[in-house]
Amino acid sequence: SQELEQSPQSLIVQEGKNLTINCTSSKTLYGLYWYKQKYGEGLIFLMMLQKGGEEKSHEKITAKLDEKKQQSSLHITASQPSHAGIYLCGAGPSNAGNNRKLIWGLGTSLAVNP
Amino acid sequence: SQTIHQWPATLVQPVGSPLSLECTVEGTSNPNLYWYRQAAGRGLQLLFYSVGIGQISSEVPQNLSASRPQDRQFILSSKKLLLSDSGFYLCAWSHGQGVFHEQFFGPGTRLTVL
Repeated sequence: SQELEQSPQSLIVQEGKNLTINCTSSKTLYGLYWYKQKYGEGLIFLMMLQKGGEEKSHEKITAKLDEKKQQSSLHITASQPSHAGIYLCGAGPSNAGNNRKLIWGLGTSLAVNP
Repeated sequence: SQTIHQWPATLVQPVGSPLSLECTVEGTSNPNLYWYRQAAGRGLQLLFYSVGIGQISSEVPQNLSASRPQDRQFILSSKKLLLSDSGFYLCAWSHGQGVFHEQFFGPGTRLTVL
């Protein structure tokens, strides 16, 4: 079965620094979804990547999906304390139809020190 | 626009007591609905999945059950809570059709079983 591995598990950076979080799959990804979660709250959808080589940005967060569609990276430029939280990646199913369950990574915990 | 509600936000229950968590979605019809449990602030475990009224798929054997009495209502229940049922419970919805599988999450319920 497909698994998603996220790295690093946790990250502490100084405010203003850039950082990258990775999400790697054992199989081809059919839709890769990035979410952010503040402690004790629900997940907030950030962005979705579908095509090999695709790149999307939202404010200071950029996500990329590699050409082979087996790895995605989330890059934060000039981090701020508001970026702190847990970042999770989820992947869509490899088959079509009614199966809309996502497979999830374990998350990366990010702390940003002011 | 679509919104998802969960209640209660926090719950403390004794072992052996019943449980009922409710989730409702507004602004969409025939959504797919999901119940997750999250332990230690990460690692989403899919508990139940529903594609329509009365249609429930159980993902893991457990002490819990789910029901979908109305199109946009999803309920998580237990007749007798166990200590191991403690955790953060998240409800989510996704579109029932189309190529995108992104899920949208409620604010979550923190359940503590004593």
